[in-house]
Amino acid sequence: EIVLTQSPGTLSLSPGERATLSCRASQSVSSNYLAWYQQKPGQAPRLLIYGASSRATGIPDRFSGSGSGTDFTLTISRLEPEDFAVYYCQQYGSSYRGYTFGQGTKLEIK
Amino acid sequence: EVQLVESGGGLVQPGGSLRLSCAASGFSFSNFWMSWVRRAPGKGLEWVANINQDGSDRYYVDSVKGRFTISRDNAKNSLYLQMNSLRAEDTAIYYCARDRQLRFDYWGQGTLVTVSS
Repeated sequence: EIVLTQSPGTLSLSPGERATLSCRASQSVSSNYLAWYQQKPGQAPRLLIYGASSRATGIPDRFSGSGSGTDFTLTISRLEPEDFAVYYCQQYGSSYRGYTFGQGTKLEIK
Repeated sequence: EVQLVESGGGLVQPGGSLRLSCAASGFSFSNFWMSWVRRAPGKGLEWVANINQDGSDRYYVDSVKGRFTISRDNAKNSLYLQMNSLRAEDTAIYYCARDRQLRFDYWGQGTLVTVSS
C-alpha cells in the first residue's frame, strides 16, 4: 500500500501570500491517480484538483496542482480568507482497488 | 444539483451494530460507483469501502473487512453501510461520496458514529 506524507503539518500564512503544500508518496504514483481536497470545520471535503493538475468544477484558478512520480504540490497563488482550512492529498491504488489519503496540512491564518 | 444525505449514525456500544444510509439525488445514481469515507476525531480522512454500479464489485479497507458491508438499492437511489462488531476506533464521521474511480467529486455532510460504553 502506498503511503502519502504531507508537509508541513501546519502552515501559517497571511491573506495575499502564496501557499505551497507538499504530498510525497512512498512509491511512484500515476499522475492520473492523485487528487487534492479542502475541508473546513463542520463541512464536507471538497474536491479541488484531480489528475494531479486539473481543477475541479468551480474551483478558482488561484488553486493549481503539479508534480509527478512521488512528489506532488498544491499551490494557492494568493490566499483569500476562505482558503484557510485543512488540505488532503489522495491517491488511488489500482493494485488493491482502494484509496489512501495523506494525513493533511492545516493552513492557518498568521 | 447533486445531493448526498447521510443518516443512521449514533451512539453504540462496542461489539454492536449500526446501519448507515445515504440518499442520493440530482444525478443518475445507478451510473456511478459510490464510496464511504470516514474521519475519526483529530485524525485525517480514511476511505472505508466502495461499490460499483450494480453492486457486483465491492472493496474495503483492511481494517473493516469481515465487519462492514457496503450495499446499494438503485431503485431507491440509496447507499448503505452495515457495520457490525463495532470498535472504539470506528468512532468517526462517515461520509458518503460519489466515486469517479480515481477521485470523489461530491460528498455528503456526514453522520457521526460513536462507539463507546
